[in-house]
Amino acid sequence: GQSLEQPSEVTAVEGAIVQINCTYQTSGFYGLSWYQQHDGGAPTFLSYNALDGLEETGRFSSFLSRSDSYGYLLLQELQMKDSASYFCAVALGGFKTIFGAGTRLFVKA
Amino acid sequence: NAGVTQTPKFQVLKTGQSMTLQCAQDMNHNSMYWYRQDPGMGLRLIYYSASEGTTDKGEVPNGYNVSRLNKREFSLRLESAAPSQTSVYFCASSEARDTEAFFGQGTRLTVV
Repeated sequence: GQSLEQPSEVTAVEGAIVQINCTYQTSGFYGLSWYQQHDGGAPTFLSYNALDGLEETGRFSSFLSRSDSYGYLLLQELQMKDSASYFCAVALGGFKTIFGAGTRLFVKA
Repeated sequence: NAGVTQTPKFQVLKTGQSMTLQCAQDMNHNSMYWYRQDPGMGLRLIYYSASEGTTDKGEVPNGYNVSRLNKREFSLRLESAAPSQTSVYFCASSEARDTEAFFGQGTRLTVV
């Protein structure tokens, strides 16, 4: 079967750096995405990695190691508004994309 | 630019009733998706449509049917609703499988 594992909760202080890990076991892999979802809202796209390495977009960076079936999302200079759930998602063959259960990030003042 | 629009936003059904969730996108995307989100379980793919005229099953298709009416619209039908289908349903669209997916605001469905 397919599985994506990520921590259920992470807590960090405003201004700090936090890393959210994602490991996956899937049949087929085209890339790893990250989405943010605030309570009651819709998921919004943050990043996509198809190749190994680090992708940087402002305060957010995402890393992928295909050989280790592992990726992470790095959030820098944390702000209160970053408190949300973060989902990793794997694009499989045939246009399927499956999501992890999500990591709830709490940012404290 | 509305993006992805879902209707209705909220719905309460009785067990055995049927309903159709509507989704439309105005970004000229080829691919559209229906997900359900339950607490602690992330998003699970119900059905998807890679392009106009095609539909395929996702992870949890039982109890649902879909129609890709045209390039803009992708509907999800519950023929005989069950309490296990109480969930938040999201429609999404993307240009391709390896590009950003845009989500609608969700339909909160309760089956009693």
